[in-house]
Amino acid sequence: DQQVKQNSPSLSVQEGRISILNCDYTNSMFDYFLWYKKYPAEGPTFLISISSIKDKNEDGRFTVFLNKSAKHLSLHIVPSQPGDSAVYFCAARVFGNEKLTFGTGTRLTIIP
Amino acid sequence: NAGVTQTPKFRILKIGQSMTLQCTQDMNHNYMYWYRQDPGMGLKLIYYSVGAGITDKGEVPNGYNVSRSTTEDFPLRLELAAPSQTSVYFCASSQGINYGYTFGSGTRLTVV
Repeated sequence: DQQVKQNSPSLSVQEGRISILNCDYTNSMFDYFLWYKKYPAEGPTFLISISSIKDKNEDGRFTVFLNKSAKHLSLHIVPSQPGDSAVYFCAARVFGNEKLTFGTGTRLTIIP
Repeated sequence: NAGVTQTPKFRILKIGQSMTLQCTQDMNHNYMYWYRQDPGMGLKLIYYSVGAGITDKGEVPNGYNVSRSTTEDFPLRLELAAPSQTSVYFCASSQGINYGYTFGSGTRLTVV
């Protein structure tokens, strides 16, 4: 039972354009969502997060949007840079619970 | 600032052997976690700990054991290794519910 789903295993985007990574979830008890970025042979690193009381959070080139009615969140990267090429995981947490549930990841490739 | 350190980075085990994956953090985090990542899959929680002396099972605990005798260390023990335990193992720590995780760089384990 995959509660957090990333339906696109891979995505290729031209350098300078916008990258949009999508994530869907099924558990309505999730109240906090995070995006992690992972390079090969390294552990995931925290990128950006959003609480369920917000619908948008922005940090530099990265913006996360949350649509609670659709149980959908997305990560926008503008403009995309070659260093953004990595695997991106979305993760979610139930209120009051410290454990994270991760999606399967999307491999983003930025084409120079 | 070492963060979360995992050893070894790579290991090949024969079926039926046992081993301990080491994880140490120097950030004085109370919460620690063990995840495994299989190809094309998200990170699955094996075990977690909310403080020294306290551990609990995650989604996929079978075949593993953990202990948490100190705040810093959270070793993962594999008894009677099986091919299904071939995976990349990540240890993580966090300050608590409202904080993201800091991950180690992972241990790639192959059971043959």
